[in-house]
Amino acid sequence: EPEVTQTPSHQVTQMGQEVILRCVPISNHLYFYWYRQILGQKVEFLVSFYNNEISEKSEIFDDQFSVERPDGSNFTLKIRSTKLEDSAMYFCASPGTSSRDTQYFGPGTRLTVL
Amino acid sequence: RKEVEQDPGPFNVPEGATVAFNCTYSNSASQSFFWYRQDCRKEPKLLMSVYSSGNEDGRFTAQLNRASQYISLLIRDSKLSDSATYLCVVALTGGGNKLTFGTGTQLKVEL
Repeated sequence: EPEVTQTPSHQVTQMGQEVILRCVPISNHLYFYWYRQILGQKVEFLVSFYNNEISEKSEIFDDQFSVERPDGSNFTLKIRSTKLEDSAMYFCASPGTSSRDTQYFGPGTRLTVL
Repeated sequence: RKEVEQDPGPFNVPEGATVAFNCTYSNSASQSFFWYRQDCRKEPKLLMSVYSSGNEDGRFTAQLNRASQYISLLIRDSKLSDSATYLCVVALTGGGNKLTFGTGTQLKVEL
């Protein structure tokens, strides 16, 4: 199975602070996704990124969120001013090398906002 | 109506049993269908794609009924290692479209 990596595995922050979550997707793909999962709830789509631009975003992805590709291989999800309700697992995902239909998820970053 | 609906379970079954999970989706325009597996506090892992003709991968069989907007997963000869949450997932199109997840069905396989 293709590998997607994420750092850090766990991030603890104070409410109002900025956090940056990082992901290295499967190489040579132009599509890239962020999802989140609040504890005990379903996985929810946040944003998709195609060819260095946001292609779709959900209602959750408000002005506090941004996604960037600072270099050729890394992607970041930034939350500018964290709220308690941002506490969740954040997963990045990337299509597979053999099929764009399927998405493979990274191990996730657990964000805890105090 | 929820976009993707699943019975949350848990389904507690003995090792070796056959268990079936069902899922319904609300958007008739959905084109791609998947089952993912998620272990506690881990990432979703692709189990299999689901095709209209039905498909099988070892002990796992998936079926799609587009007319009823219904997806199923059958697990035969359950193993202890099958214990996990099974996520029903749909996408409007292939290739770049966001995934919409159900809440998952929890399976516990017991000795």
